[in-house]
Amino acid sequence: DSGVTQTPKHLITATGQRVTLRCSPRSGDLSVYWYQQSLDQGLQFLIQYYNGEERAKGNILERFSAQQFPDLHSELNLSSLELGDSALYFCASSVDSASSYNSPLHFGNGTRLTVT
Amino acid sequence: AQSVTQPDIHITVSEGASLELRCNYSYGATPYLFWYVQSPGQGLQLLLKYFSGDTLVQGIKGFEAEFKRSQSSFNLRKPSVHWSDAAEYFCAVAGYAGKSTFGDGTTLTVKP
Repeated sequence: DSGVTQTPKHLITATGQRVTLRCSPRSGDLSVYWYQQSLDQGLQFLIQYYNGEERAKGNILERFSAQQFPDLHSELNLSSLELGDSALYFCASSVDSASSYNSPLHFGNGTRLTVT
Repeated sequence: AQSVTQPDIHITVSEGASLELRCNYSYGATPYLFWYVQSPGQGLQLLLKYFSGDTLVQGIKGFEAEFKRSQSSFNLRKPSVHWSDAAEYFCAVAGYAGKSTFGDGTTLTVKP
């Protein structure tokens, strides 16, 4: 058990809809990362938050947004969903500090999103 | 920009045989390198990491990896594979702001 909790495990929704994925990081970890894993794109970095602030942005679409709350949990919001957004979305956390950026990632078990 | 290449998409080995999974990276400075394993339906789990020092690093589950700067490689090895090692393996390099870049993964099948 990595200590990272993601909910829900599965999500089935229709095109055009909006969903929210939730992540609770490992106790003590200040950084939260979101990754998208699909068969054709592999594991793609979406966005990182550190202690409530956005720290790095990857291949995240304009339709997607995220935030990290004061209790350090994070939510990834996906809107105007398209069939191509179907994927496994992973949250990961790490003990990064303000000066150390390279701690190993601890992954949750993911949320499988199916857009029909 | 940092990048990782895992040349082998799929590898099949017999149980008890040795294993080597290849990883080549591109990074402008001293890299932070990782190997992760993903079992079906699970998230990625850290096997081992290299930050500095001894170029041969030991990980969990009997895995080891060797950092070779001259070859920009960080290959994962195991002397004797068990059926439970069947999974997908990812090599990653970490850079600015901890943004880890992952390779496309190598799927390991273990024959009985």
